[in-house]
Amino acid sequence: KQEVTQIPAALSVPEGENLVLNCSFTDSAIYNLQWFRQDPGKGLTSLLLIQSSQREQTSGRLNASLDKSSGRSTLYIAASQPGDSATYLCAVRPGGFQKLVFGTGTRLLVSP
Amino acid sequence: KAGVTQTPRYLIKTRGQQVTLSCSPISGHRSVSWYQQTPGQGLQFLFEYFSETQRNKGNFPGRFSGRQFSNSRSEMNVSTLELGDSALYLCASSLGQGGFTDTQYFGPGTRLTVL
Repeated sequence: KQEVTQIPAALSVPEGENLVLNCSFTDSAIYNLQWFRQDPGKGLTSLLLIQSSQREQTSGRLNASLDKSSGRSTLYIAASQPGDSATYLCAVRPGGFQKLVFGTGTRLLVSP
Repeated sequence: KAGVTQTPRYLIKTRGQQVTLSCSPISGHRSVSWYQQTPGQGLQFLFEYFSETQRNKGNFPGRFSGRQFSNSRSEMNVSTLELGDSALYLCASSLGQGGFTDTQYFGPGTRLTVL
């Protein structure tokens, strides 16, 4: 059974810092891995998707890496801003169907 | 292109009642998945529908059911509500063709409170 863990559970940083969020999964047989952002009481916004054959993806200040063999992914946020404050979730897609297995999330607070 | 929409956004029900939630996917998407989010269990997969057929199902009791219409809109039904069903219910749509880059796009969710 696929299990996804995110560390740390919460993170508080001052504006401008670069930071790394971690995601680990137990079964390396995945189709892809997605990083999402969730604002309080809201739905999920897809940030980045990494295919199982890829090592990393970049979008603006965000960079996500994937090491499938070790079951790890990291989300790097450069020059953090207060608007980055949210919960960040990683999710793996174990197979061909659309089921996603989510991690527990990292709650990020960026203070001005 | 309009995003995924869910109605209603908020619901308050009492134990024993039943509830129906609705999800309209992004135009052209044929797959709709449903997830339950609670503080204790996090985000858990309920089921997925593709072309009006349930294609995958999570570990939830039979009180949770769904269906999909020919226009890809989907409904989820929960019967005999329990206090533990209080949660944010999210639906997600995708092309559903199983490709490695097939991204799921989520709606804003329906907040269900069971009293």
